[in-house]
Amino acid sequence: DGGITQSPKYLFRKEGQNVTLSCEQNLNHDAMYWYRQDPGQGLRLIYYSQIVNDFQKGDIAEGYSVSREKKESFPLTVTSAQKNPTAFYLCASRNSYGYTFGSGTRLTVV
Amino acid sequence: QQPVQSPQAVILREGEDAVINCSSSKALYSVHWYRQKHGEAPVFLMILLKGGEQKGHEKISASFNEKKQQSSLYLTASQLSYSGTYFCGATADRGSTLGRLYFGRGTQLTVWP
Repeated sequence: DGGITQSPKYLFRKEGQNVTLSCEQNLNHDAMYWYRQDPGQGLRLIYYSQIVNDFQKGDIAEGYSVSREKKESFPLTVTSAQKNPTAFYLCASRNSYGYTFGSGTRLTVV
Repeated sequence: QQPVQSPQAVILREGEDAVINCSSSKALYSVHWYRQKHGEAPVFLMILLKGGEQKGHEKISASFNEKKQQSSLYLTASQLSYSGTYFCGATADRGSTLGRLYFGRGTQLTVWP
């Protein structure tokens, strides 16, 4: 079945560490997105990519980085510069009909 | 550019109806509706395009008023499975179908038996 796979489901990070969240899709969608979700904040866009080897900053890109070397993959790195990284992270891809979301990664700073 | 959703929360008894509104200060080209269960990924419900018709999905339907820059989601004869947080996502960009959406903060819907 086609879909989006995010891993890991839960991730714990020590302060000062960089961590990478994986996002893979087999839907053959060109566009992919990373959102951060905090209680009461809705979905805030971190980065998005409409084509391989190209991506754009969203509304809260500071402290995050991405790459898009393959159509299927859009990993997100949460760097030590992100001061409040504890949140639920959602990856999505899109065709002309709508978004398909992954099941999310819950990141906690310990 | 974030659309405004109202109300923030709704509590219903099974079988009652509800309306969730999504409004924007900018002219809209398309509006998406998603439902998210706690701890899960949002699930696509429907998309409405400027000039398009009202859409429906079982007992859930939506309208898009271009002049008022507003979309409404109608839940009829609600079921327990309708509980969750509903998000609208909107775009003013008609040039690209892959452009970003701006999501509202969500409306939490709780249906009690």
